[in-house]
Amino acid sequence: GQQVMQIPQYQHVQEGEDFTTYCNSSTTLSNIQWYKQRPGGHPVFLIQLVKSGEVKKQKRLTFQFGEAKKNSSLHITATQTTDVGTYFCAGGWTGNQFYFGTGTSLTVIP
Amino acid sequence: NAGVTQTPKFQVLKTGQSMTLQCAQDMNHNSMYWYRQDPGMGLRLIYYSASEGTTDKGEVPNGYNVSRLNKREFSLRLESAAPSQTSVYFCASVLIGGRGQPQHFGDGTRLSIL
Repeated sequence: GQQVMQIPQYQHVQEGEDFTTYCNSSTTLSNIQWYKQRPGGHPVFLIQLVKSGEVKKQKRLTFQFGEAKKNSSLHITATQTTDVGTYFCAGGWTGNQFYFGTGTSLTVIP
Repeated sequence: NAGVTQTPKFQVLKTGQSMTLQCAQDMNHNSMYWYRQDPGMGLRLIYYSASEGTTDKGEVPNGYNVSRLNKREFSLRLESAAPSQTSVYFCASVLIGGRGQPQHFGDGTRLSIL
């Protein structure tokens, strides 16, 4: 089946440092979504990328979709304690299924 | 609006017991999904229902059955629970599946099988 690899699995940063998580697929994606899950919570939709080379920003968060639509990244500038959680990408191909990456757990040290 | 509601929130079963996890959404969404989440493995799709009256297998369907009771409700049944099914189960819904729209998740059911 389809797979989406996500790295790193864990990331500890000092508050104010930047953070990046990466997703890679071996095949071309139709689109990719990003979710955030707080400890003990459920995934919450952040954004969707559809176009090759697309870049979207949400305040301190920058999302990129690769030119070949096989990889994506989420970058957080100047992390805050409110950024703590696990960030998941979810790759979509044709059809109704999404395949989630294994997630990157972000810890922010005050 | 409640969004996606899952019941129960917690459950402990003995090996071999059966149970049904309930999911209901009030957003008039067409597609609904069941995922399981295990440490270090992300969310894996068990079954999904693209629209009322249809269901399809996902990545890890073995040991589970589903029923799309109506447009609002999508249940997941474990016929004979096994310790390997200890997990957090999430239900999600999408307005129209296959178009890359946001998935809305319930709060999850934390299931332990002894």
